[in-house]
Amino acid sequence: KQEVTQIPAALSVPEGENLVLNCSFTDSAIYNLQWFRQDPGKGLTSLLLIQSSQREQTSGRLNASLDKSSGRSTLYIAASQPGDSATYLCAVWGNMLTFGGGTRLMVKP
Amino acid sequence: NAGVTQTPKFQVLKTGQSMTLQCAQDMNHNSMYWYRQDPGMGLRLIYYSASEGTTDKGEVPNGYNVSRLNKREFSLRLESAAPSQTSVYFCASKVLAGGDEQFFGPGTRLTVL
Repeated sequence: KQEVTQIPAALSVPEGENLVLNCSFTDSAIYNLQWFRQDPGKGLTSLLLIQSSQREQTSGRLNASLDKSSGRSTLYIAASQPGDSATYLCAVWGNMLTFGGGTRLMVKP
Repeated sequence: NAGVTQTPKFQVLKTGQSMTLQCAQDMNHNSMYWYRQDPGMGLRLIYYSASEGTTDKGEVPNGYNVSRLNKREFSLRLESAAPSQTSVYFCASKVLAGGDEQFFGPGTRLTVL
C-alpha cells in the first residue's frame, strides 16, 4: 500500500525566505505527483503536476522536483510572502490518488 | 467555467438520518471522485467513477453509496448517518482516470450528532 509522508508537519518562516517542503512515497510505480495548496476551511487548489517521466515543473515562484527512484519530491518556494501561508499537500497517483498529511506553512511579515 | 461545484456547503444531521451530497463539474471530465478529510488522517478516497456508467470503491467506502447520474454529476449518499461520518467531503474530477491533473470542489462540511 502506498504511503506518502510530508516533512515538516508545520513550518514558520519570516517573509522573504526561500523554503523547501518535502514529500516522500513508498511505491515508485506512480503516474504522477501533484502539489496542492489548501487554505483554512477551503478546498484544494492545484499548484503543480509532475508526470512520472519528468524531473521538475515550475510555476512562478514555485518549483517542484521529482526523484521517482528514491521516492521523493520537493516543493521549493522562492521569496516567500505572507499570502503563501496555507497547508501544502502532495499526492501521488498510482492505483488511486494517495495524499500526504500536509505541511502547514506560516510566513510572518 | 464554474469548475467543480458541491452542495450543500454545510450540513448537520442526526444519527440515522440520510442525505445526498451533490457534485457537478463543467469541464467535460470523464473521471470523478469523492474524498473525506479528517484531522490526522488526511484525505482518503471513498468512491470514484472512472467514466460515465462506472463506479468503484476507494479506500473507505463503508456506509456510503454513489451514483454517476451523467457525465457532469456524481452524488454521494449516506443512508444512515453515523457520528464517525462527521468530516469534510470533497468532490474532484479529472479528464481521465490516469496521469493528469485533478481538480477539487470547495467541500461540504458535515456534522453528525
